[in-house]
Amino acid sequence: ETGVTQTPRHLVMGMTNKKSLKCEQHLGHNAMYWYKQSAKKPLELMFVYSLEERVENNSVPSRFSPECPNSSHLFLHLHTLQPEDSALYLCASSRTRTGLGDTQYFGPGTRLTVL
Amino acid sequence: DAKTTQPNSMESNEEEPVHLPCNHSTISGTDYIHWYRQLPSQGPEYVIHGLTSNVNNRMASLAIAEDRKSSTLILHRATLRDAAVYYCILRDVFGNEKLTFGTGTRLTIIP
Repeated sequence: ETGVTQTPRHLVMGMTNKKSLKCEQHLGHNAMYWYKQSAKKPLELMFVYSLEERVENNSVPSRFSPECPNSSHLFLHLHTLQPEDSALYLCASSRTRTGLGDTQYFGPGTRLTVL
Repeated sequence: DAKTTQPNSMESNEEEPVHLPCNHSTISGTDYIHWYRQLPSQGPEYVIHGLTSNVNNRMASLAIAEDRKSSTLILHRATLRDAAVYYCILRDVFGNEKLTFGTGTRLTIIP
């Protein structure tokens, strides 16, 4: 148990559906992240939030829309996805965003399948 | 971020020590060396990090070469639960929190 929870753990959706992934951290951290892990590929950073403000968007298609209503919650809203978007989506948090050797804590991920 | 090179896979017998190497010949003076691991069907978890001196914690030890161009993660007594993909990552102390994951080393533990 890392203190970062993600729901749902598994999600199957059609290309025309709209769904949301939820992440919650119970660590009092100020930075939160979304990563994508496709089969046979390294983890890719998608979005970074620091104190509820989006500070990084790594050229992610607009069909992925993040939301950070407070420092404990992070959402990833999904719409009109493609089959190649099927992957493990991981949420992480860290105490701060500064590079002082701080540690990121990951949730268990949501396994997304797009049909 | 400077790049790291790790073997794609390694095997070790249960209850024996494991030495996981990582080369980072272009490391800068302000890069920390971080290790994470990812167990099957789980998100990555932090293992250890260091800058220049060797480091120990309850999970592992990190041995850093004197010129800092390579490092070794040491699991002192491997268990089946240590089977995972191990990632060696450099992160600039003055940079942001971006972790750049490579393909890592897949460690298999033989009972």
